Amino acid sequence: GENVEQHPSTLSVQEGDSAVIKCTYSDSASNYFPWYKQELGKRPQLIIDIRSNVGEKKDQRIAVTLNKTAKHFSLHITETQPEDSAVYFCAANLPGTASKLTFGTGTRLQVTL
Amino acid sequence: GAGVSQSPSNKVTEKGKDVELRCDPISGHTALYWYRQSLGQGLEFLIYFQGNSAPDKSGLPSDRFSAERTGGSVSTLTIQRTQQEDSAVYLCASSRWGGYTDTQYFGPGTRLTVL
Repeated sequence: GENVEQHPSTLSVQEGDSAVIKCTYSDSASNYFPWYKQELGKRPQLIIDIRSNVGEKKDQRIAVTLNKTAKHFSLHITETQPEDSAVYFCAANLPGTASKLTFGTGTRLQVTL
Repeated sequence: GAGVSQSPSNKVTEKGKDVELRCDPISGHTALYWYRQSLGQGLEFLIYFQGNSAPDKSGLPSDRFSAERTGGSVSTLTIQRTQQEDSAVYLCASSRWGGYTDTQYFGPGTRLTVL
């Protein structure tokens, strides 16, 4: 099955700096990679996703890049703000199984003033 | 509109007891998923329902775990003879069609503590 590794497990940045979270996946047939944000005590929410036919996708201050050859994808947050503080999870779909996602273990991002 | 809801929000039980966790998906969503989130871990897939198809139970960790979805809507996850290692947050999610790019919308979760 699919295996997703996520690094770092914790990340602390100053407000205004950029944050990068990296994930690797094992199955080259995976073709969909969403990122979820989970604020303390709240439910995970999708913030951005990318399909395997695209190398990069941006949405305001967040972007995701995908390197299919290396089987890794990254989340980039620019101009970080305190409200970006949360746990971020990457995920990859299990090939041939439509909707099943394998999640990384999460990155706790702390944006300090 | 209303999001995914789950009940109870917290459940404390004694080892060996059975528990039932409930999930109400977004109205009209045909796909429903259960995940388990242990402390400091990611979300572990448990089971997936899509319309009237047989559920994908490949993620259930043991035969003590079962789930059903009645009428294509509400789902119940049952854990029999609970063990301490079952303590976790159980999250339910739903998506419109279950396609691989469908956004999965999560509920608030049920925090299960097995004493």
